[in-house]
Amino acid sequence: QQPVQSPQAVILREGEDAVINCSSSKALYSVHWYRQKHGEAPVFLMILLKGGEQKGHEKISASFNEKKQQSSLYLTASQLSYSGTYFCGTASVSLTGGGADGLTFGKGTHLIIQP
Amino acid sequence: KAGVTQTPRYLIKTRGQQVTLSCSPISGHRSVSWYQQTPGQGLQFLFEYFSETQRNKGNFPGRFSGRQFSNSRSEMNVSTLELGDSALYLCASSLVGAYYEQYFGPGTRLTVT
Repeated sequence: QQPVQSPQAVILREGEDAVINCSSSKALYSVHWYRQKHGEAPVFLMILLKGGEQKGHEKISASFNEKKQQSSLYLTASQLSYSGTYFCGTASVSLTGGGADGLTFGKGTHLIIQP
Repeated sequence: KAGVTQTPRYLIKTRGQQVTLSCSPISGHRSVSWYQQTPGQGLQFLFEYFSETQRNKGNFPGRFSGRQFSNSRSEMNVSTLELGDSALYLCASSLVGAYYEQYFGPGTRLTVT
């Protein structure tokens, strides 16, 4: 089942913070975050694993609540370059063992950063 | 380091025909995954190949198939095309698999008329 992302869209001023949520009804093994700009391919942001720690990269970080099967992506002091559509992808089992149905992506959150 | 390349970039086919799409992963990457992207359904996983073997498979009909060659290049085939197959087909390569960081290609835009 497809994870649910919220909000569907958000408009911010440069420098403001944003939080994007991803929720699944299934027990999760990992959560993956990607950003896609219009007309471009998705770009990897980070992976969070069951039992792992909160990940972060510069002003973008994320958390994974295993009990609630939820993940949140945090964008701090947003920049114009952060604009795009953010997708979370979830896996209910390890994909390296084979036999899994791959990553299931949410419908995306459209983020617009205005100057 | 060269990125993931996909050919062709654009394709127009007629309903009932078949099509083959090609993906060349980043050098050294052994995993190639294929995704279908449409405005209504978003990004949907098709299958993953790792070292020439299909490792994971999404919920798509058997008309969708793929293979991977010994040099890790991968092809995806869709037989008996339907109008609903019109989409952007993306491939992604990874060092160890879809479990890890994936690098997406620019995609092949398939239009079925």
